[in-house]
Amino acid sequence: GIQVEQSPPDLILQEGANSTLRCNFSDSVNNLQWFHQNPWGQLINLFYIPSGTKQNGRLSATTVATERYSLLYISSSQTTDSGVYFCAGVNTGGFKTIFGAGTRLFVKA
Amino acid sequence: NAGVTQTPKFRILKIGQSMTLQCTQDMNHNYMYWYRQDPGMGLKLIYYSVGAGITDKGEVPNGYNVSRSTTEDFPLRLELAAPSQTSVYFCASSYRQGGANTEAFFGQGTRLTVV
Repeated sequence: GIQVEQSPPDLILQEGANSTLRCNFSDSVNNLQWFHQNPWGQLINLFYIPSGTKQNGRLSATTVATERYSLLYISSSQTTDSGVYFCAGVNTGGFKTIFGAGTRLFVKA
Repeated sequence: NAGVTQTPKFRILKIGQSMTLQCTQDMNHNYMYWYRQDPGMGLKLIYYSVGAGITDKGEVPNGYNVSRSTTEDFPLRLELAAPSQTSVYFCASSYRQGGANTEAFFGQGTRLTVV
């Protein structure tokens, strides 16, 4: 079946620390995306990354499609990075975007 | 460019009432989706549409109906509201061409409470 699994489920960081979030996905999933849901509930697109590496400021993401995983790196974390990070993939038929359960991040000042 | 727009942002319904959540996108995307997010949980797919006139069920379709008469609009209908439908509802859209999907864009969400 279609599976998108994220780890860790929860993460607490001190401001300034770095972190890595992981997303494993099944063979029937591709076209990975990473989202940040802020404390107000808004879903913000971070990366559309079917494969390879992308960077945007303090955030970067790498997807290794052949090994079915994607990583989101957060460097020099800030309190505004707090929220839930979701990865999502599209099923092979291309009709559905399926979400992982998310990683809840809290960055302490 | 407004992206994906949902209305209303908040709504309280009584058990048994009905309502329609509106969603419109101005990106000419062919794919549109409705998700619900229960407190502390991820997003679950309710219904999706691959183009005007074509809709299909997602993971949790019971209690909902959709229609897609135009490319831009994808309303979600709740016929007999139940407390289990208390949730935040997100509409999204993306584009698929030549076997590849573009990234999905989400609306701001509709927070629905059924009492």
